[in-house]
Amino acid sequence: DTAVSQTPKYLVTQMGNDKSIKCEQNLGHDTMYWYKQDSKKFLKIMFSYNNKELIINETVPNRFSPKSPDKAHLNLHINSLELGDSAVYFCASSQGGRGNEQFFGPGTRLTVL
Amino acid sequence: GESVGLHLPTLSVQEGDNSIINCAYSNSASDYFIWYKQESGKGPQFIIDIRSNMDKRQGQRVTVLLNKTVKHLSLQIAATQPGDSAVYFCAENMMGSNYKLTFGKGTLLTVNP
Repeated sequence: DTAVSQTPKYLVTQMGNDKSIKCEQNLGHDTMYWYKQDSKKFLKIMFSYNNKELIINETVPNRFSPKSPDKAHLNLHINSLELGDSAVYFCASSQGGRGNEQFFGPGTRLTVL
Repeated sequence: GESVGLHLPTLSVQEGDNSIINCAYSNSASDYFIWYKQESGKGPQFIIDIRSNMDKRQGQRVTVLLNKTVKHLSLQIAATQPGDSAVYFCAENMMGSNYKLTFGKGTLLTVNP
């Protein structure tokens, strides 16, 4: 059974387009996250939602807008895609915060041409 | 800014040897540390964690050591196996930040048969 799933796994698009990545977790967790991993494997948190409320919003361009319709889903919408947005985006979830394991999804590889 | 780094970006070992992956952190306010393993094409996977009130914690074939004096963290893998080949990340959680993990740069471990 998939714990944290993301769609699509690969996304290739042109500069200037708008795209969305979806994430779902079936673990019953109350907290979900979006991370960006660049070409050097550096992994950085972007957003986090706890019980559908935004609790972490790092320095991310406002072209990125997360949406959490319910506790099991956290989607990421990106407007006006730029070349620098090319990366692997990971969704994760946890039950609570500190001390509780974050479970990561398989990632979405976004390529902006 | 980033406060967690690694001494060695790559590590190559022979199957059956022990591996040691190192991590330095600069934020003395960090009190919870986690090691993640990321296999190629997959999301990070939790290995082991340690709180700042401990110096050592053991799991199955893995041991994490924490030296708060020099702000150093290490992951020891006993009897390394080909399946251990992956990128290993240390991550820190600062006191007062319940949900935000700051990841280090990652070390690529290659196990030679």
